[in-house]
Amino acid sequence: GAVVSQHPSRVICKSGTSVKIECRSLDFQATTMFWYRQFPKQSLMLMATSNEGSKATYEQGVEKDKFLINHASLTLSTLTVTSAHPEDSSFYICSARFLLGGETQYFGPGTRLLVL
Amino acid sequence: GQNIDQPTEMTATEGAIVQINCTYQTSGFNGLFWYQQHAGEAPTFLSYNVLDGLEEKGRFSSFLSRSKGYSYLLLKELQMKDSASYLCAVRVVGGSQGNLIFGKGTKLSVKP
Repeated sequence: GAVVSQHPSRVICKSGTSVKIECRSLDFQATTMFWYRQFPKQSLMLMATSNEGSKATYEQGVEKDKFLINHASLTLSTLTVTSAHPEDSSFYICSARFLLGGETQYFGPGTRLLVL
Repeated sequence: GQNIDQPTEMTATEGAIVQINCTYQTSGFNGLFWYQQHAGEAPTFLSYNVLDGLEEKGRFSSFLSRSKGYSYLLLKELQMKDSASYLCAVRVVGGSQGNLIFGKGTKLSVKP
């Protein structure tokens, strides 16, 4: 089946630093990639939607200058958390839809970010 | 507004059958998904319903009634490995492409 990978799986950083998370679709070209955030015992909250070669569409309340998304190719999207703060500590998950894949979104394994 | 409700927790016995309900009120509807999520891991796809009725896939079945804004996930012959959170998600019309609105998930504990 379709596979989506994320890197890193876990990151610990100091407050004020920037962290980049990569999301790759393996073996298929993703028409659209999505970035979610999940706090403990909460539901997944969509942060932004990105299409290859165009600007990401951010959900209301998500700061586009803080969460930079780059979708450089049909197999790679990156999320950069700039000037991270402890409140940005969360589980970040990407998902992808791909050509001929129908309605299903396939999720990556997630990245756990801890900002000290 | 968008609202998806599902029970917070459920407990069932190994070998039994459990039904997890989901009700939704959303601005438009373009399909309902069920995902399984083990602690600390990303969700994995279980089922997709866009028309009324029952979709069966092995031990898992999912039902949808669009007029009632209601779905359930049925798990048969429960196994210990089925202990996980089950997320109900609705794909809404408009907004971001393929935008899914997730419920908070139902944590299922399967006991021996």
